[in-house]
Amino acid sequence: GAVVSQHPSWVICKSGTSVKIECRSLDFQATTMFWYRQFPKQSLMLMATSNEGSKATYEQGVEKDKFLINHASLTLSTLTVTSAHPEDSSFYICSPTGTGGNEQYFGPGTRLTVT
Amino acid sequence: AQSVAQPEDQVNVAEGNPLTVKCTYSVSGNPYLFWYVQYPNRGLQFLLKYITGDNLVKGSYGFEAEFNKSQTSFHLKKPSALVSDSALYFCAVRPGGGRRALTFGSGTRLQVQP
Repeated sequence: GAVVSQHPSWVICKSGTSVKIECRSLDFQATTMFWYRQFPKQSLMLMATSNEGSKATYEQGVEKDKFLINHASLTLSTLTVTSAHPEDSSFYICSPTGTGGNEQYFGPGTRLTVT
Repeated sequence: AQSVAQPEDQVNVAEGNPLTVKCTYSVSGNPYLFWYVQYPNRGLQFLLKYITGDNLVKGSYGFEAEFNKSQTSFHLKKPSALVSDSALYFCAVRPGGGRRALTFGSGTRLQVQP
């Protein structure tokens, strides 16, 4: 399967600060990137979808000014959580998809804890 | 809109016994169905998928799943459970091909007792 990396794997930050999470597809070109959020003991919920070079499309209830997504290249997408609050503490998982779309790859996830 | 139901929060099974984790779905058109496993503080590991063809799909680690169109189900099965199979299992669906996000079920925790 494809190799997807996320950095950092675990981050602790203080309320009010911003955190950037990177997602890289190491051996294929990710034309589309999905970002999911998983709260403890819950399922994955789609936050946003981005296509390379375009603005992201956010799901209902997800604040686009708070969760900034950049998908400037076919191998890198970033999610920045701005002015983080404790309720943003969650597991964030990226899912890059290539041009074919049949395969669904997932990054290893980033655990964010906001104190 | 598509949806996935995993009716059991937890499934307990003794090691060596067969296991089944249930999943039903609702989607317009032909479904693409997936099973993933998640270990604590880890990402998702792909187990298997159904797109078309044989209704019985074989996947990683001895798991298999049967697509049943009339019952809109895609139950995950394994003939003989291992303690190391204990994890959180997610069923997911997508309406056909293309670059579309998956919709996940709520997850089922599998506990295999030695």
